[in-house]
Amino acid sequence: GAVVSQHPSRVICKSGTSVKIECRSLDFQATTMFWYRQFPKKSLMLMATSNEGSKATYEQGVEKDKFLINHASLTLSTLTVTSAHPEDSSFYICSARPDDSYTDTQYFGPGTRLTVL
Amino acid sequence: SQQGEEDPQALSIQEGENATMNCSYKTSINNLQWYRQNSGRGLVHLILIRSNEREKHSGRLRVTLDTSKKSSSLLITASRAADTASYFCATDEGKGNNRLAFGKGNQVVVIP
Repeated sequence: GAVVSQHPSRVICKSGTSVKIECRSLDFQATTMFWYRQFPKKSLMLMATSNEGSKATYEQGVEKDKFLINHASLTLSTLTVTSAHPEDSSFYICSARPDDSYTDTQYFGPGTRLTVL
Repeated sequence: SQQGEEDPQALSIQEGENATMNCSYKTSINNLQWYRQNSGRGLVHLILIRSNEREKHSGRLRVTLDTSKKSSSLLITASRAADTASYFCATDEGKGNNRLAFGKGNQVVVIP
């Protein structure tokens, strides 16, 4: 089955530093990937749509200079949280839709828990 | 903005009982999907129902969709302790970009 991985699974950093999170589709190609964040006991909030070979599309209210997205290949998208602050602490989840899929199913990564001290 | 919205009540049931969750949404959709999330983990896709479908089954799962009422239900039959999780519905408006809008989620606890 389609597998999506994320790295790292957990990261703790100091305020002001930048953190990069990787999202990989392991056995399929995905032109489009999505990044979400989730607060405790809350639902997922779509942050941006990552497009291979072009700029990401950000949702309203999400700072593109704060959350840098790079989709360098058909199997890898990265989210960089720049100058992280404690309020950026959250669970970040990516998803990917296989390019050759006949359905609209997205496959989700296991998530990355970011804690900013 | 979040479009899919589940009833906010948490559900606690005995093993073997059926669990039913509801989801309502606000816009027209291409499809509606249900996901499960175990605590602190990623999401697992359970089932997708298209806007022209009214009911769909997958194992112990049964999903209904009423587009006139903009609502969906997820039924888990003969629940097991392993079904303890949060369940989310997500809607795809069908604008060609596959963006999903997630609802708040329902916490289901199955007591052994």
